[in-house]
Amino acid sequence: DAKTTQPTSMDCAEGRAANLPCNHSTISGNEYVYWYRQIHSQGPQYIIHGLKNNETNEMASLIITEDRKSSTLILPHATLRDTAVYYCIVKGHDYKLSFGAGTTVTVRA
Amino acid sequence: NAGVTQTPKFQVLKTGQSMTLQCAQDMNHNSMYWYRQDPGMGLRLIYYSASEGTTDKGEVPNGYNVSRLNKREFSLRLESAAPSQTSVYFCASSESKGAKGTEAFFGQGTRLTVV
Repeated sequence: DAKTTQPTSMDCAEGRAANLPCNHSTISGNEYVYWYRQIHSQGPQYIIHGLKNNETNEMASLIITEDRKSSTLILPHATLRDTAVYYCIVKGHDYKLSFGAGTTVTVRA
Repeated sequence: NAGVTQTPKFQVLKTGQSMTLQCAQDMNHNSMYWYRQDPGMGLRLIYYSASEGTTDKGEVPNGYNVSRLNKREFSLRLESAAPSQTSVYFCASSESKGAKGTEAFFGQGTRLTVV
């Protein structure tokens, strides 16, 4: 499975868009990019996933670069409840999700 | 719809004791997983079961055994608990097969302390 690199932490103002970067330069052609978040030691929550096209759902948007070596998760209007650890994961051919350290996002009022 | 249910939610064990963590899902998913999360760390995969009747080791399987009892249930057993196994344990399930797939659903965790 390709490894990912994320910033350790970032702050965001409430009501503004939060842009979370992720590098996955060794991703292979049929591996998907997944994003999960974990709020205050609860079980991780799925956000979104994609292969090469940009994806959007009710929670977020996922922008994947054309070469697929990086991606950005966008939370369009961050709220205090979006404060969490966000994990970018590249999912390989097996069934496993491998979590790194993630990005701690703090949304400030 | 309960999703993924873990029992117990909290447990304190003495070193050397054994116990089984239970996990059940009601989404008819094929794949189930056990993770542990130490303070300030990401989740690490202990064991997973791609489908009923199969189990495989993850990153940190030592000291644990698992049983895929049926499609719904996947249990994790600590035969002789050690303080190093103090952690939060998460069970998850998914319908995914291969790289493409759907989301994984996680339980709320079992907080285990070994003294």
